[in-house]
Amino acid sequence: DGGITQSPKYLFRKEGQNVTLSCEQNLNHDAMYWYRQDPGQGLRLIYYSQIVNDFQKGDIAEGYSVSREKKESFPLTVTSAQKNPTAFYLCASSIRGSGSSDTQYFGPGTRLTVL
Amino acid sequence: GQNIDQPTEMTATEGAIVQINCTYQTSGFNGLFWYQQHAGEAPTFLSYNVLDGLEEKGRFSSFLSRSKGYSYLLLKELQMKDSASYLCAVTRRGSYQLTFGKGTKLSVIP
Repeated sequence: DGGITQSPKYLFRKEGQNVTLSCEQNLNHDAMYWYRQDPGQGLRLIYYSQIVNDFQKGDIAEGYSVSREKKESFPLTVTSAQKNPTAFYLCASSIRGSGSSDTQYFGPGTRLTVL
Repeated sequence: GQNIDQPTEMTATEGAIVQINCTYQTSGFNGLFWYQQHAGEAPTFLSYNVLDGLEEKGRFSSFLSRSKGYSYLLLKELQMKDSASYLCAVTRRGSYQLTFGKGTKLSVIP
């Protein structure tokens, strides 16, 4: 079955700790994305990557970092510099990432709670 | 800049028809996506409109008017499982990026 996996579904961390969220896809998509969703807000783009070893900041990149060493994987690290890290994090992928009609498909999400 | 508006919540009765509106002000507008998101789950793709008019897919239809900056999602023969949030998202010419509205939470009641 092709798809996007994110793990774990729920994650708890203490304030001041860095935490890495995983995202894997076997759809052979070139582009991958990370979004954050907060109650009452639309999805907001954190980072995106159109190709291996390249990524770009989205609208709210401060306090986050990413890597794209393999086509299938795009992990997101939430650092201690992120002021309000508690949120629902969604990973997505699309075939090319270079056209405005490119449909993005989402993983199941990770709900991060920082205590 | 971009501004996307959707109603926050709607309620409709099982078996009925409901229309969820989305208005946008987007420079360089190219197209508009609709996604469905059940609580705590991933958004799933419903439709993409780039040309004016109505696109029908089973019980769901989506309409776009580029000149009015307006779209709607029409859900027919509502079922309880249609209770979810419906997200409108726009793209701009030459851009990969989706900009989402805040979503409309639809509750279907018996």
